[in-house]
Amino acid sequence: QQPVQSPQAVILREGEDAVINCSSSKALYSVHWYRQKHGEAPVFLMILLKGGEQKGHDKISASFNEKKQQSSLYLTASQLSYSGTYFCGTEGGRHRDDKIIFGKGTRLHILP
Amino acid sequence: EAGVAQSPRYKIIEKRQSVAFWCNPISGHATLYWYQQILGQGPKLLIQFQNNGVVDDSQLPKDRFSAERLKGVDSTLKIQPAKLEDSAVYLCASSLQGAYGEAFFGQGTRLTVV
Repeated sequence: QQPVQSPQAVILREGEDAVINCSSSKALYSVHWYRQKHGEAPVFLMILLKGGEQKGHDKISASFNEKKQQSSLYLTASQLSYSGTYFCGTEGGRHRDDKIIFGKGTRLHILP
Repeated sequence: EAGVAQSPRYKIIEKRQSVAFWCNPISGHATLYWYQQILGQGPKLLIQFQNNGVVDDSQLPKDRFSAERLKGVDSTLKIQPAKLEDSAVYLCASSLQGAYGEAFFGQGTRLTVV
């Protein structure tokens, strides 16, 4: 099942914070986050594994709540370069099925 | 490190024609994915290879789509015959070992069926 992302789109001013959510109707083993700029290939941000860990990457961090089958991506003090579409990809099941299913994406636009 | 190479970058064909896309993954990557990305949507997994074996092709429209990965390296995706709704970007990605790590995406092939 395809994960559900919210919101569908966000417009922010440079320096503001954003949260993008990803939820699934089935148990998750891992959550993958990617960013895609217009006309370009998706680029990997981070992977979170079952265990509720939180990861950080510069001013971008993410959390994974396996009980709620949800993950959230946090963008702090957003920069113009953060603009793009963010996709979460989920790997589901009680055991690894090794297949990543992507959500429809969240479009983020940062204004100067 | 060389990235995932795809060709062609763009292709325009008429409906009912056939088309083939080529992908060369990063050297040493055992897992290769083909995704279809329709404008405004997330990538949809079509087929996943582990070396030269198929791991998952549950969403591949097998009446018209086929894919192979000879010798566990390069891969081709074919559509025959194409339909208007096949217009999309076809992305190839590879990873060292399945969903355990980062997937590297190619630039994609933008297909327009008219």
